[in-house]
Amino acid sequence: EDKVVQSPLSLVVHEGDTVTLNCSYEVTNFRSLLWYKQEKKAPTFLFMLTSSGIEKKSGRLSSILDKKELSSILNITATQTGDSAIYLCAVGSSNTGKLIFGQGTTLQVKP
Amino acid sequence: DAGVIQSPRHEVTEMGQEVTLRCKPISGHDYLFWYRQTMMRGLELLIYFNNNVPIDDSGMPEDRFSAKMPNASFSTLKIQPSEPRDSAVYFCASSLGWTGGYEQYFGPGTRLTVT
Repeated sequence: EDKVVQSPLSLVVHEGDTVTLNCSYEVTNFRSLLWYKQEKKAPTFLFMLTSSGIEKKSGRLSSILDKKELSSILNITATQTGDSAIYLCAVGSSNTGKLIFGQGTTLQVKP
Repeated sequence: DAGVIQSPRHEVTEMGQEVTLRCKPISGHDYLFWYRQTMMRGLELLIYFNNNVPIDDSGMPEDRFSAKMPNASFSTLKIQPSEPRDSAVYFCASSLGWTGGYEQYFGPGTRLTVT
């Protein structure tokens, strides 16, 4: 059965800290890995990583895909209170056409 | 673009009543997805459509749930009869292209409470 596992499940840091969120997967016919940020509403898209694009960066956020280890990390540097959210990892399967979501990592950034 | 639009944003109903959730995808997107999110189970795919045709409904929990997409700009998710365990946030999402390799854009969700 396809599955996506994120760790840690929750994390509390202080402003200015750097955090690393992890995502590992077992998915038949991997196509892509996506990161979403969810505050008190809908998930918003952050990055998509594929075999042809294993590293993405946007401002203080960056993500790397390790296809050998079947995992990805999301790094946030110089965290701010506005980074507090649930971060979701999802993996797309070209076999099923579905996105399989992990359970999410809840990040709290304290002032 | 207005993004994915869902209505209502909140719904409170009594057990046994029929509930209809509505979604308008982003114009031009050819895939539409219905998800359910709960604390216990996280984000689960219920059903998805491609060009208005249901492709995979294996996530629909039981026969009380049904979904339709009569045209490219409208979809409904119906629960009849509703039960307290159906209480969750229901998201609609849409994407352009084959979902395995394209990002999905989510609507604001409908928070359903069944008492």
